Amino acid sequence: GAGVSQSPRYKVAKRGQDVALRCDPISGHVSLFWYQQALGQGPEFLTYFQNEAQLDKSGLPSDRFFAERPEGSVSTLKIQRTQQEDSAVYLCASSLRRETGETQYFGPGTRLLVL
Amino acid sequence: SQKIEQNSEALNIQEGKTATLTCNYTNYSPAYLQWYRQDPGRGPVFLLLIRENEKEKRKERLKVTFDTTLKQSLFHITASQPADSATYLCATRGSSYKLIFGSGTRLLVRP
Repeated sequence: GAGVSQSPRYKVAKRGQDVALRCDPISGHVSLFWYQQALGQGPEFLTYFQNEAQLDKSGLPSDRFFAERPEGSVSTLKIQRTQQEDSAVYLCASSLRRETGETQYFGPGTRLLVL
Repeated sequence: SQKIEQNSEALNIQEGKTATLTCNYTNYSPAYLQWYRQDPGRGPVFLLLIRENEKEKRKERLKVTFDTTLKQSLFHITASQPADSATYLCATRGSSYKLIFGSGTRLLVRP
């Protein structure tokens, strides 16, 4: 069956450019998460959606980062006026329900390089 | 704040030996810990979950222990194979169902 997909897989942006990263979760999954992973580090939480509602955006590093999931399925993470420190892998994960301990299924990530 | 620590040094072992990876947590008592495997260029893949009231859990060649006194989880791979070479991440739940990850330990199994 189809897993979580993300596009693009790689993105090179010039500093100051806006980028949009897409996540297609597993069909029917209620919860959707975005994580940022720096080289050699574990993923760090950015934001969480339950259906179309963004319930937690405490991990977004600045107001240049914006995420949406308007119909409760596909989600987009947008980064405005990219900076070099935004270079990282952006991972999307989904889970079926919203229960504690629910397994999260990760996509392959989008590797963003800001020059 | 909640903190998960893993040994950042890579673990290099001979095929057939048992690999043991460590995850320590501080400043809280997690209800459970999860272990994930991550290969280069891919997202993490869930392996095992162990709850605070479970001392040990097994799945094929994998075994996880949870010691709430030591605030530690150990992850074992028995009869290791070169295909087990990857980065292994320990994670626990933060607020609003998000996962808090350690930095991961890279395992290299030599043939």
